Amino acid sequence: DQQVKQNSPSLSVQEGRISILNCDYTNSMFDYFLWYKKYPAEGPTFLISISSIKDKNEDGRFTVFLNKSAKHLSLHIVPSQPGDSAVYFCAANKRHAGNMLTFGGGTRLMVKP
Amino acid sequence: NAGVTQTPKFQVLKTGQSMTLQCAQDMNHNSMYWYRQDPGMGLRLIYYSASEGTTDKGEVPNGYNVSRLNKREFSLRLESAAPSQTSVYFCASSENRVGYGYTFGSGTRLTVV
Repeated sequence: DQQVKQNSPSLSVQEGRISILNCDYTNSMFDYFLWYKKYPAEGPTFLISISSIKDKNEDGRFTVFLNKSAKHLSLHIVPSQPGDSAVYFCAANKRHAGNMLTFGGGTRLMVKP
Repeated sequence: NAGVTQTPKFQVLKTGQSMTLQCAQDMNHNSMYWYRQDPGMGLRLIYYSASEGTTDKGEVPNGYNVSRLNKREFSLRLESAAPSQTSVYFCASSENRVGYGYTFGSGTRLTVV
């Protein structure tokens, strides 16, 4: 059973608009969350993270929101650009598990010019 | 360029053949990981090495073995390849600190026929 789920396999957004990617988790032991971005034929690259003691973290056009009671996090990209077209993975780190990550299934974002 | 290097990039094996996937990092990271990526399944951990001299099983270790040769190198071996092992394999490295982002290699696309 997947402990980290990204229920939308794909998302299409117009350039300049907001992209919202969602992620749900089931294990209450997760206390750190990360987003990775992956282009075709490349490895994933780290994008942004958030600790469970926060509910928001912002880095330029990227903001991650965490709702612990709902076990839900989201990545907002504003404004979306064609270069943001990629697969986005949500990942979670368990307390006392070092830096081991559990990944979601990914969401393919397409930003149309 | 500093980073994680994986070889080979592509490989086709016949069922029952063996092979070793190589991974080397020059970031002086303590921890290294092997993941496989399958459509809709995200990235699943095969094996990891928290530090030189230690290795542990991840979520999907069956059919694989690993060797942490030194701090830089972490290899993944398929002793008798099966079609179910057709996948894209990613090696990653990180510090063993919660929330420290992974650095991934560019992947090995393996097809077992």
